[in-house]
Amino acid sequence: KQEVTQIPAALSVPEGENLVLNCSFTDSAIYNLQWFRQDPGKGLTSLLLIQSSQREQTSGRLNASLDKSSGRSTLYIAASQPGDSATYLCAVKPGNTPLVFGKGTRLSVIA
Amino acid sequence: GAVVSQHPSRVICKSGTSVKIECRSLDFQATTMFWYRQFPKQSLMLMATSNEGSKATYEQGVEKDKFLINHASLTLSTLTVTSAHPEDSSFYICSKERTDTQYFGPGTRLTVL
Repeated sequence: KQEVTQIPAALSVPEGENLVLNCSFTDSAIYNLQWFRQDPGKGLTSLLLIQSSQREQTSGRLNASLDKSSGRSTLYIAASQPGDSATYLCAVKPGNTPLVFGKGTRLSVIA
Repeated sequence: GAVVSQHPSRVICKSGTSVKIECRSLDFQATTMFWYRQFPKQSLMLMATSNEGSKATYEQGVEKDKFLINHASLTLSTLTVTSAHPEDSSFYICSKERTDTQYFGPGTRLTVL
């Protein structure tokens, strides 16, 4: 059974810092991996989607990498801003089945 | 991105009542939708896959008679929590999929007193 783990569970950084969020998964046979952002009490916003054949994806200040063989992904946020404060969720798609989510990393960027 | 709406966004009910949550695909027809549940500080857990015109597929441990799913049209799926109890209080989110990307609704916060 696929399990997704995110470390750290919570992170607090001063504004302007670069930071890395980690995601690991137990079964490397995935179809793709997605990173989402969730604001308190809200739904999910898709940030980046990495197909299993890809190594990384970039969008603005965000960069996500994927090492499928080792079961790891990282989300890199450059020059963090207070508006980046949210919970970041990692999810993998184990083939033709719905996404499996990690518990998320709760990020606070302090002005 | 694709648009998914949910109604209501928040509901408070008494124990023993039933609550219906609607999930609508506003931009394209969705033959399949997914229902997730999220407890505080926990991951999203898949409850069931809703299939238009057929029975929903429930995940292990999810009571199908308690969480009734109806997907009567290509743009609407409903989740009814029957005889709700305080332990059913949670955040319920639906999603649909297009070209390998899942798009999520804004969620419904259910509080059962």
